[in-house]
This record gives sequence, structure tokens and C-alpha cells, in this order.
Amino acid sequence: AQTVTQSQPEMSVQEAETVTLSCTYDTSESDYYLFWYKQPPSRQMILVIRQEAYKQQNATENRFSVNFQKAAKSFSLKISDSQLGDAAMYFCAYRSANNAGNMLTFGGGTRLMVKP
Amino acid sequence: GAGVSQSPSNKVTEKGKDVELRCDPISGHTALYWYRQSLGQGLEFLIYFQGNSAPDKSGLPSDRFSAERTGGSVSTLTIQRTQQEDSAVYLCASTPWVSSYNEQFFGPGTRLTVL
Repeated sequence: AQTVTQSQPEMSVQEAETVTLSCTYDTSESDYYLFWYKQPPSRQMILVIRQEAYKQQNATENRFSVNFQKAAKSFSLKISDSQLGDAAMYFCAYRSANNAGNMLTFGGGTRLMVKP
Repeated sequence: GAGVSQSPSNKVTEKGKDVELRCDPISGHTALYWYRQSLGQGLEFLIYFQGNSAPDKSGLPSDRFSAERTGGSVSTLTIQRTQQEDSAVYLCASTPWVSSYNEQFFGPGTRLTVL
């Protein structure tokens, strides 16, 4: 079974600064997808960014980028120019490309606080 | 169009009672997932529906939990004889079809509190 670990329960960043959230995963599969989801206090999970394991190039979405290290099974999220609206819980998630149901396996989350 | 909706938003019940949680997926989405988020933790998969196929119930924690999906649209998660450890946020998600790449669109969840 796959597992996802987020070792930072809480992180804090100054507004306009850069912060990196860590995520590691364990799998024996070679084909899979990785995701970062944001969960604000409204509880609505919002997709931030996704990465296909077969792609070497790191995904980027505006101020959000990832550092995907397949051999190390590491998938960190970098948030540049942090904004107050970035404050939320962030979840790393794994999804097999082979599983029929393709359900997500989540890490325990990192609470990000943004200081004005 | 409208996103995934869930009702009720909050539910407080007494230990031993049965509860029903409802999910309305995005229109046209054939795949529907239920997840549970216990306090301060990540989400854990409960059950998955795809079209008219038999559901994948591999994540249900006990036989007190069941779910159905009527007409390939609305889904109801039922918890019988609730226990305090069932207290959690129950999230529903849907996708247009089953694909590893497809984004799962989540509803706002139902917060269940068992006294």
C-alpha cells in the first residue's frame, strides 16, 4: 500500500516571502500522479498543482511550483510571494495510475500561517 | 455550473443513532468518492462509485458504514449505531470519469459530531 508523509505539522511564513512544504511518499509503482490540495477554513479542498510521475519537468502554476524527486520519492511545494490568502491546510496526495478506482491517498497535512 | 454539494453542513447526533449524509456530485460526473477526515488528520478513502459498476467498498472501516448511489447521481452515506470515533468531517468528491490525471472536485463536507 502507498503511504504519504508530511513531516511539518505547521509552517509559518512572512507575507511576500517564500516557503517550502515537504512531502515524501512510499510506493512500489512506477506510474502515478501526485497532487497538492489546499483546504481553507471553509473545508473546501482546492487543487493547487499536480505532477505526473513520468514527467521529469517540475510542474508550476503561477506562484506555486513543485520539486519532484522521483528517486528520493519526494514532492515538495514551493509558494513564492506568499499572500495572506495562502493561509490554509495543505495536503499532499498520491494517486496510482494502475488502480481501477484511482482514489487519492493523503498525507496528514501541513498548516500554513502567513504573517502580515 | 454548480459544484459538489453536501448536506447537512453539520450534524450532531447521540451515540447509537443512525445518520445519513448526502452528496450531490457535479452534473455529468460519473465517478464519486467518499473520504473521511478525522480531527487534525488527512483524508482517508471510504468508498468509490463509477457509473453502474459495483462500488469499491474497500475503505469502509466497519459494517456500520454503507453507501448507495441512486440513478448514477446523488449518493447517501449511512452510518448505523454511531460511535464517538465516527466524529469527523465526511467529504465527497466527483470526477467526469475515472482517470488518474483528472482532478477530483470536492464538496464542502459534513461535520459529524457524535456525543
